[in-house]
Amino acid sequence: NAGVTQTPKFQVLKTGQSMTLQCAQDMNHEYMSWYRQDPGMGLRLIHYSVGAGITDQGEVPNGYNVSRSTTEDFPLRLLSAAPSQTSVYFCASSYDSQNYGYTFGSGTRLTVV
Amino acid sequence: DQQVKQNSPSLSVQEGRISILNCDYTNSMFDYFLWYKKYPAEGPTFLISISSIKDKNEDGRFTVFLNKSAKHLSLHIVPSQPGDSAVYFCAAKSGGSNYKLTFGKGTLLTVNP
Repeated sequence: NAGVTQTPKFQVLKTGQSMTLQCAQDMNHEYMSWYRQDPGMGLRLIHYSVGAGITDQGEVPNGYNVSRSTTEDFPLRLLSAAPSQTSVYFCASSYDSQNYGYTFGSGTRLTVV
Repeated sequence: DQQVKQNSPSLSVQEGRISILNCDYTNSMFDYFLWYKKYPAEGPTFLISISSIKDKNEDGRFTVFLNKSAKHLSLHIVPSQPGDSAVYFCAAKSGGSNYKLTFGKGTLLTVNP
């Protein structure tokens, strides 16, 4: 059981480049989300999905797009990277709203120069 | 407006003593609270949770207390061990189908041998 898998683990982008952060889970969880962690800011919700074909914005959605075509995958797209998007990105999943714990991936460390 | 606050960025305790990590919240709609532990270069891992219908939940060395009138919760670790050294995040969510977790900024716990 792999849990939540994020790729890549590290990435350096130039300002204006685009890329997709991958997230996959093998637990058949309906709920998936993306968070970013910045020093002194805790974890902030970017986008989330409550099932295939359904996505919604979180606290800091600007500059990011998501889609959920399958239950397993929830990619996060940066359309035009900016230095302000330098952060550690975590994907998480859960099987229902009363779940007693959300499973997080190990993170993607992104640097935009 | 920070809805979940962890006012102590860091805490240092001796091995074998009690560690108490505090968390305050402002949103009265929150009815479920979780604690996560995070080691460097890893994703957060679920530790313990509590529903607003309870005032205490125990799991081994970890106990979470909830004071709804004060909008305050705390995590007690007894006895503390060096392996408990990590960043601890408090998180909260409202009920029903709301999957969104709101996190505090975290507290770095250091347990000294």
